[in-house]
Amino acid sequence: QAVVTQESSLTVSPGGTITLTCGSSTGAVTTGHYPFWFQQKPGQVPKILIYDTTNKQSWTPARFSGSLLGGKAALTLSGAQPEDEADYFCLLSYGGSVVFGTGTKVTVL
Amino acid sequence: EVELVESGGGWVQPGRSLRLSCVASGFTFDDYAMHWVRQAPGKGLEWVSSIRWDGGDIGYADSVRGRFTLSRDNGKNSLSLQMNSLRAEDSALYYCAKGRSSGTYYGMDVWGQGTTVTVSS
Repeated sequence: QAVVTQESSLTVSPGGTITLTCGSSTGAVTTGHYPFWFQQKPGQVPKILIYDTTNKQSWTPARFSGSLLGGKAALTLSGAQPEDEADYFCLLSYGGSVVFGTGTKVTVL
Repeated sequence: EVELVESGGGWVQPGRSLRLSCVASGFTFDDYAMHWVRQAPGKGLEWVSSIRWDGGDIGYADSVRGRFTLSRDNGKNSLSLQMNSLRAEDSALYYCAKGRSSGTYYGMDVWGQGTTVTVSS
């Protein structure tokens, strides 16, 4: 099965902007991989933020947005808040499987 | 409100079996695919298995194929994961998750609280 790679950790200042990426070992990520993004805070269940590359759930703060960037799926956080400190996982769909990314730990500092 | 409640986790010796269950409520169960995802302590998320809304298509991660069997009972709004030949590396928190669509290999939007499996001698 494919390997999906994310940055291991990123740091952002309060109010700052960061972009997390999600790459596939099989080649460029496309909308056909239906990228999802999840946020997981310590001791909590993962929570969906983005589905189908760009679409937000009703509870997703407006400061989060999804896109494709340079052959990867991307999650941009604009105007980071302290409560955004968490682990973020992407998910890509393949023909006969789905694969989670390795995860990015985001620190707001 | 959508709710997923897992059960069946526990401690088991290597090579033995365990059956996990998930009972769903708050949505039309047979409209959606269902999934199991696991997370070892301090590690990332790992997809385990998925089943289409009608049970007609089931997928497994390479790490569990041939040892785990996923099934669903739409009449009882329930999902079951039969885990055989368990290994130490299967130890994890196992989440039941609702698919965001009826399709098998598509992401999930609601997660249960999870049930813990520990494989150790």
